[in-house]
Amino acid sequence: KQEVTQIPAALSVPEGENLVLNCSFTDSAIYNLQWFRQDPGKGLTSLLLIQSSQREQTSGRLNASLDKSSGRSTLYIAASQPGDSATYLCAVGTYKYIFGTGTRLKVLA
Amino acid sequence: DVKVTQSSRYLVKRTGEKVFLECVQDMDHENMFWYRQDPGLGLRLIYFSYDVKMKEKGDIPEGYSVSREKKERFSLILESASTNQTSMYLCASSTGSHTGELFFGEGSRLTVL
Repeated sequence: KQEVTQIPAALSVPEGENLVLNCSFTDSAIYNLQWFRQDPGKGLTSLLLIQSSQREQTSGRLNASLDKSSGRSTLYIAASQPGDSATYLCAVGTYKYIFGTGTRLKVLA
Repeated sequence: DVKVTQSSRYLVKRTGEKVFLECVQDMDHENMFWYRQDPGLGLRLIYFSYDVKMKEKGDIPEGYSVSREKKERFSLILESASTNQTSMYLCASSTGSHTGELFFGEGSRLTVL
């Protein structure tokens, strides 16, 4: 059974810091992996989608990598800003999406 | 841009009431999903649909039903609401294979008293 883990559950960093969020999964037989951002009380906003044949995707200050063999993905946020404060979730695509429980990020001004 | 619209952002219902949660997407996506999100439990899949009039049970279908009469609309129905169905309900859609990119609505916060 596929399990998705995100550690740490919460993270506080000063503004301007580069940071890495982690997502690990137990079964490497995946179609893709998607990173989302969720603001309090809102829905999920898609950030990046990495297909299983890809190693990474970039969008602006965000870079996501995927290592299927080790069951890991990282989301790198460069030059963090207070507006980046949110919960970040990863979801692993098998025959359906399996979600991690998220990392709650706070960027301090 | 893909838009997934959930008709109600906040609802308060009483135990035993029938509740309809509506979701509409405007990108001609084949696949639509209903999740609920609870603190500490993450997102759990209730039902999904790969085509009009088709539906499949997710991980927690008990107490829920769905309807997909038109491609753009996917409704979640609570036949007799109970307090343990108080939650955030999230609708999503995608195209292509089962795991194409997911797009979510803003969520519906349901409170059952």
